[in-house]
Amino acid sequence: DVKVTQSSRYLVKRTGEKVFLECVQDMDHENMFWYRQDPGLGLRLIYFSYDVKMKEKGDIPEGYSVSREKKERFSLILESASTNQTSMYLCASSASGQGLREQYFGPGTRLTVT
Amino acid sequence: GENVEQHPSTLSVQEGDSAVIKCTYSDSASNYFPWYKQELGKRPQLIIDIRSNVGEKKDQRIAVTLNKTAKHFSLHITETQPEDSAVYFCAASLTNAGKSTFGDGTTLTVKP
Repeated sequence: DVKVTQSSRYLVKRTGEKVFLECVQDMDHENMFWYRQDPGLGLRLIYFSYDVKMKEKGDIPEGYSVSREKKERFSLILESASTNQTSMYLCASSASGQGLREQYFGPGTRLTVT
Repeated sequence: GENVEQHPSTLSVQEGDSAVIKCTYSDSASNYFPWYKQELGKRPQLIIDIRSNVGEKKDQRIAVTLNKTAKHFSLHITETQPEDSAVYFCAASLTNAGKSTFGDGTTLTVKP
């Protein structure tokens, strides 16, 4: 069974704080993703990584950065949290190679920035 | 880049009726179309997917159809049950690109 875990289910931070969200997968997946989920806006891709130390911007990368030092771990960093970054953050992973594209999601981190 | 539009945003049906959710995509090169179901408070999970070399795929009460010419694909749920109530997301991607572009989601409510 694929397991994707996220470091926190709920997080409350103050404006201007540096925030780290961590994601770990146990299936040796090459691809990892960070999404933000807001009502009516679906799943918007922030960043993704297809290999260790590799990253690509998604649709809404502004205000975020990522780090992937190990294959199983993908971190999302909010350098200076702002109230408009209050949201649900979902991590996902998938295998690479033809025919293997299902994404497995973590449980999500609900971040509130006050 | 790819753009995926999903309709309707909300759908309410009586138990036992059918439900249809439609998506359109913009990139004719996209060749993989998954559907995810997200129950309240839970993570999205894949329920069915289809690849561009197939026009239709069925798994018990759910089916997906794909029209490559028109660039749209649809999810069909027959004999709906209350446990089908959830948010459904469609997505489109290239199988060698890794990432998917998601639609905005459809909230399906099945009334008993």
